[in-house]
Amino acid sequence: NAGVTQTPKFQVLKTGQSMTLQCAQDMNHEYMSWYRQDPGMGLRLIHYSVGAGITDQGEVPNGYNVSRSTTEDFPLRLLSAAPSQTSVYFCASSYGGGTYNEQFFGPGTRLTVL
Amino acid sequence: AQSVAQPEDQVNVAEGNPLTVKCTYSVSGNPYLFWYVQYPNRGLQFLLKYITGDNLVKGSYGFEAEFNKSQTSFHLKKPSALVSDSALYFCAVTASYNNNDMRFGAGTRLTVKP
Repeated sequence: NAGVTQTPKFQVLKTGQSMTLQCAQDMNHEYMSWYRQDPGMGLRLIHYSVGAGITDQGEVPNGYNVSRSTTEDFPLRLLSAAPSQTSVYFCASSYGGGTYNEQFFGPGTRLTVL
Repeated sequence: AQSVAQPEDQVNVAEGNPLTVKCTYSVSGNPYLFWYVQYPNRGLQFLLKYITGDNLVKGSYGFEAEFNKSQTSFHLKKPSALVSDSALYFCAVTASYNNNDMRFGAGTRLTVKP
């Protein structure tokens, strides 16, 4: 199993540009989530999904969109990048409909917005 | 909404000594509590969780944590620290009535010196 994979590993954007961070898992997990990690703030939940076709907002959803057309994939879209979105982004998945089971994290995408 | 506090940014211990990483939480209703560890340039890895039952939970790599409801705490402990335990440790909480939304603490950097 590849587990949770994320692409790209690094990305530099200019303010106003859009992009999609890719996330895929091969464990047939129902629950998937996106977090951002900023120094001194831990991880903050952006969006999550409890299954294909079902998504919801987390703690910091503004400026981000998600969709879940398949169980495996959960892309995160930045509509118009801002310097405040400079961060490390982690995708995670877990068995079952929530976070009460162990979450498996991807290696992360380091995003810089100039 | 639920929240977690990790009062120490940094914990330093000597190899072979016991270690404690502190965590307190706030949640409406019953908590689900977790510890995750992050090694440099990696995603988070699950260590252990408390859902219900015995207040002392044992996890990976010899770590354990004690749930204390009266003090709303979930401190991580290990009887004898190893240099390889040096990493960033995150406490996290979710509510039993809505476990889709997990909140992480800011993290504690543990350094174990030879």
